[in-house]
Parts: sequence; structure tokens; C-alpha cells
Amino acid sequence: QKEVEQDPGPLSVPEGAIVSLNCTYSNSAFQYFMWYRQYSRKGPELLMYTYSSGNKEDGRFTAQVDKSSKYISLFIRDSQPSDSATYLCAMKDGGGSNYKLTFGKGTLLTVNP
Amino acid sequence: DAMVIQNPRYQVTQFGKPVTLSCSQTLNHNVMYWYQQKSSQAPKLLFHYYDKDFNNEADTPDNFQSRRPNTSFCFLDIRSPGLGDAAMYLCATSRVRGGAGELFFGEGSRLTVL
Repeated sequence: QKEVEQDPGPLSVPEGAIVSLNCTYSNSAFQYFMWYRQYSRKGPELLMYTYSSGNKEDGRFTAQVDKSSKYISLFIRDSQPSDSATYLCAMKDGGGSNYKLTFGKGTLLTVNP
Repeated sequence: DAMVIQNPRYQVTQFGKPVTLSCSQTLNHNVMYWYQQKSSQAPKLLFHYYDKDFNNEADTPDNFQSRRPNTSFCFLDIRSPGLGDAAMYLCATSRVRGGAGELFFGEGSRLTVL
């Protein structure tokens, strides 16, 4: 079993739709959870990060973490064509000097005008 | 704007011909990373520098080497590229090693091996 599982999609939605992107993980030591957005032929950029279980909102984006189920989600409200990208979940344990992120494979999202 | 810059963006090489990819950063971050990302796969950490301290991942092939001559620059050397080394190579930085995991990535160098 891989440490992080992410549905690769692709996911295609109409403009204005609510999008749900998900990852499951097996390592209970993970404490930091991130979502990176990667446009085609570009490097990933950090979209959101959360430390604890619960929801974190930033504009149209909401990150949700359920540690008991080892499940994280990213919701995009009122999706726009500019949201079309690959979304990578990433996580790490809480060790003070631990540098290593474990990434999911990414979900390719297309938002159609 | 402060950023991470990778060169070249696209590199074509022949099987076995050495390649060097470069990365520079104006963020003055202590930590620099090299990731390999193959199509539809998760980025895979090859190694990282914490200041001048080099840290190799256990499963990084010996074919891959790195140099960090100063804080701003880092190089990835692929001594004898094989077909399986064709990938996007991503350089990233972070202010600290650890923390919340915020990495700043460059736009990547896409390597094609003929």
C-alpha cells in the first residue's frame, strides 16, 4: 500500500461547479498536510497547508483534514477555467527537522468555460 | 520578485551523454532540493542541501550527483543518462528544513533522452 493515494482523475467540470479533490494516507505520523497546484509545464506552488484536523478556508478554497479517517480534501467553490491544473496533495510528519514531503500523484482538473 | 530559476527549461541529450541542470534562488533559503517528476507521478526527492550539508536519498541512483557552490546556486549532474531518466527535474527551496513543509519550486527542467 502506498503511503499516499490520490485519484489521478482526470476530472472535468463546468465553470462554477464545486470541485472535491481527495487523498488518503496510511502513515499516522503525518501531521502537516498541503495542497500544491501545478499548471502544465510549470513547477508546483503551495496553495494551502493545514496542521490539524478540521477545515481551513482561503477564498474559494477549503482544505479539510480528518486524521481519524486518514483522509484529506480540497474543495474549490465557483471553479474557474484558471483553476485548471494538476493538484498534488503532500504531507509530512511532525518531526522538527524532518524535511521529507510525501506527495500524491496529483489529480488533473479541467474547468470548462 | 524573489524566485527560483531553473535552466535550461528543456534539455535534450543522447543516451549516456552527461547533462547538468542548474538552479538559482533569490530567496536566500538555507535548504535546496532536487525532485524528479515523471509523467503522472508524484515528485520524487533525489537529494537536498541544508546549507552545505548534502543529504542523499537512499534510493537515488549513483548516476545522479549534485553540487551547491554557494547559497544561491545548486546543480544537478546526470553522469550517464538512460532512457528511464527522462523526466521533469524540479528544484525547490525552503527557509528551514522541516517546519510546515512549504517549498518554493522552480518551473522545472524537462529532460529528454534520445
